[in-house]
Amino acid sequence: GAGVSQTPSNKVTEKGKYVELRCDPISGHTALYWYRQSLGQGPEFLIYFQGTGAADDSGLPNDRFFAVRPEGSVSTLKIQRTERGDSAVYLCASSKNVGLGSYNEQFFGPGTRLTVL
Amino acid sequence: AQRVTQPEKLLSVFKGAPVELKCNYSYSGSPELFWYVQYSRQRLQLLLRHISRESIKGFTADLNKGETSFHLKKPFAQEEDSAMYYCALGGGGSYIPTFGRGTSLIVHP
Repeated sequence: GAGVSQTPSNKVTEKGKYVELRCDPISGHTALYWYRQSLGQGPEFLIYFQGTGAADDSGLPNDRFFAVRPEGSVSTLKIQRTERGDSAVYLCASSKNVGLGSYNEQFFGPGTRLTVL
Repeated sequence: AQRVTQPEKLLSVFKGAPVELKCNYSYSGSPELFWYVQYSRQRLQLLLRHISRESIKGFTADLNKGETSFHLKKPFAQEEDSAMYYCALGGGGSYIPTFGRGTSLIVHP
């Protein structure tokens, strides 16, 4: 079946602009995660959803970052007033379920490379 | 606080040589350790978990709580092992991993 998809694959924007990044998880996966990967670093957790609700948004760096998943499937990561430091690869992953004490493998998308000029 | 350290940014070996990618962690509770791999132009994917105690593609990793390490090993490297390898830590019932910065493994023919 199809894996996790992310659009666009590349996004170039100017400082101060608003951007939206989209993630389509694997069908049937209830858990969805966003990560940010800066150059030379590993992925850094931003937020995860269980169904439609954000179960943990502790990784969002500030209030310019926001994510939604209104129907429990597709998710959009929104960044307001972009800054040059937001430039990174934004990764999305999904898994079947997440429950305390249970493990389900995360499947990653190809990422969106965001460049803020 | 959770922390994962991968001291080597780059590891370069010849085909057939043994490989050890180092990973050290800091965590006060009971850790869950993972290795992820990203081959060129492919997606990040799980390679193995410490709790599974399995060998994947000839790689093994043993959790050493005394040394807080989870080094990834393979006795004979192959060219197709060339990739970025990330060590990751989860714990406290959370399987949201904290990643290290990664080690680039290059296996020369």
